[in-house]
Amino acid sequence: GQQVMQIPQYQHVQEGEDFTTYCNSSTTLSNIQWYKQRPGGHPVFLIQLVKSGEVKKQKRLTFQFGEAKKNSSLHITATQTTDVGTYFCAGWDNYGQNFVFGPGTRLSVLP
Amino acid sequence: DSGVTQTPKHLITATGQRVTLRCSPRSGDLSVYWYQQSLDQGLQFLIQYYNGEERAKGNILERFSAQQFPDLHSELNLSSLELGDSALYFCASSSSGGRNQPQHFGDGTRLSIL
Repeated sequence: GQQVMQIPQYQHVQEGEDFTTYCNSSTTLSNIQWYKQRPGGHPVFLIQLVKSGEVKKQKRLTFQFGEAKKNSSLHITATQTTDVGTYFCAGWDNYGQNFVFGPGTRLSVLP
Repeated sequence: DSGVTQTPKHLITATGQRVTLRCSPRSGDLSVYWYQQSLDQGLQFLIQYYNGEERAKGNILERFSAQQFPDLHSELNLSSLELGDSALYFCASSSSGGRNQPQHFGDGTRLSIL
């Protein structure tokens, strides 16, 4: 079945530093979604990418979808303590039967 | 507040027992999804319903079942519980059953099996 990997598993940064997490799927995705889960919270939808090579920005967050639609990245510029949490990428498998989440990247931001 | 309501928030029971988790989707949302989150397995998609009909089936065990009622609330039934079923169970909802819909998650039900 489809597998979605994310690296790194953990990232510790100093406040103000940049952060990037990478997501790779074993199969082509029709679209990819990103979610953020704060410690003790529930996943919150951030964005969806659909087109090959698509780039979307939300304030300090930049999301990219690879040309082959098999990988994606999330970049945060000048991290803040409010960015703490686990960032997940997710997508439907080829048959549209399984919504697969990556294992997530846990971000810690030191003040 | 996502608008998705899950009850109960916590559930403690014993092996071999059966429990029912309940989810009310956001107002206007027709699709409901169930997930299991554990430390070793991450977020696992279990099942999706759209307007009362099963739409997609993921890694749901045969001991688990779900349904969506005419008022669109959903229930996840877990039976013959095992220690490994201890996890956080999330419900999410979306406006339609399409594959391009953002999902809005509830706060989850934490299930502990003793």
